[in-house]
Amino acid sequence: TQLLEQSPQFLSIQEGENLTVYCNSSSVFSSLQWYRQEPGEGPVLLVTVVTGGEVKKLKRLTFQFGDARKDSSLHITAAQPGDTGLYLCAGVIGGTSYGKLTFGQGTILTVHP
Amino acid sequence: DAGITQSPRHKVTETGTPVTLRCHQTENHRYMYWYRQDPGHGLRLIHYSYGVKDTDKGEVSDGYSVSRSKTEDFLLTLESATSSQTSVYFCAISVRGCSGTAIYFGEGSCLTVV
Repeated sequence: TQLLEQSPQFLSIQEGENLTVYCNSSSVFSSLQWYRQEPGEGPVLLVTVVTGGEVKKLKRLTFQFGDARKDSSLHITAAQPGDTGLYLCAGVIGGTSYGKLTFGQGTILTVHP
Repeated sequence: DAGITQSPRHKVTETGTPVTLRCHQTENHRYMYWYRQDPGHGLRLIHYSYGVKDTDKGEVSDGYSVSRSKTEDFLLTLESATSSQTSVYFCAISVRGCSGTAIYFGEGSCLTVV
């Protein structure tokens, strides 16, 4: 059973479109992180959200943590081909070490020029 | 990249043989982790270490052992490799900074067990 359900698993869109990726769980997370991974490389941390209801923006990317800290979303505005990659959400339960992450299955995003 | 180096980057081995993957870090971080990544599963924690000779099991530890005799090196060993252990293995460290804790991953070690 996947603790973190990420959707959609695949997303293929045209340049300029908007998109949202969702990360849902029945468990409460003390924090949640979003990563981007390119082929042949390790995941790279984009953002950490800690407070329920928190919204963080990183240029065209907007991250939201649910009020109950059980879900999160990543919204990309006006997607560009450079946004293509694997997006992963990962959560920390309780007071465990920040490196003991539970990952979602990932969303493979392809942005066509 | 937080000074993380994984070796080997690619390895093909036969079923039943022992395999050791090495993670080396240059910045004296206390916490180190080994994850495996498989399609449809994201990354799953195998083992982690919170200091020299201090290690613990993660979510998918069966068939794997680790050792940390020095702060800078964290070794992952497959005592007798099986085809189900074909995967990409990532080492990670956690770093506490002014804006919170960040996790940095190595570039991965692709292991194929034939």
